[in-house]
Amino acid sequence: GAVVSQHPSWVICKSGTSVKIECRSLDFQATTMFWYRQFPKQSLMLMATSNEGSKATYEQGVEKDKFLINHASLTLSTLTVTSAHPEDSSFYICSARDGRENQPQHFGDGTRLSIL
Amino acid sequence: GQNIDQPTEMTATEGAIVQINCTYQTSGFNGLFWYQQHAGEAPTFLSYNVLDGLEEKGRFSSFLSRSKGYSYLLLKELQMKDSASYLCAFMDSNYQLIWGAGTKLIIKP
Repeated sequence: GAVVSQHPSWVICKSGTSVKIECRSLDFQATTMFWYRQFPKQSLMLMATSNEGSKATYEQGVEKDKFLINHASLTLSTLTVTSAHPEDSSFYICSARDGRENQPQHFGDGTRLSIL
Repeated sequence: GQNIDQPTEMTATEGAIVQINCTYQTSGFNGLFWYQQHAGEAPTFLSYNVLDGLEEKGRFSSFLSRSKGYSYLLLKELQMKDSASYLCAFMDSNYQLIWGAGTKLIIKP
């Protein structure tokens, strides 16, 4: 089946550091990739939608200058959390959608980000 | 507008059957999905319904009624490992998933 690889799984770093998270679709071309954030015991919150070769569309309240998204190819999207602070600590999950009609989103395993 | 609703929490007994309901409202609809999410993990895909009726996949079945804006996920022969959150989501006319808040399913021995 479809596989989405997300890396790294865990990040612990100091406040002020920038962190890059990669999301790859391994056996299909992902025309659209989604980035979610999930705080403990809360539901998934969509941060942004990225389409290959174009700028990402950010949800209301998500700072595009803080959460930089690059979707340079049909198999790779990256999320960079710039100058991360403790309040950015969360579980970040990417998902990718096969460009063919009526396909589900497939999720990466998520990245647990802890900012000290 | 768009909205989607599912119960916050349900409890069931090991070996029993449980049905998790999901209702939604939207003007554009491209299918309804169910995902399972264990604590601390990413969601995993369970089922997809785009036409009315029941889709069976092993111990899990999913039902859709588009006219009623209603779906359910049916879990049979419950096992302790089925304890998780179950998320329903519909795909809107822009092919974006609109998520429910999730139903936490607690399985008791």
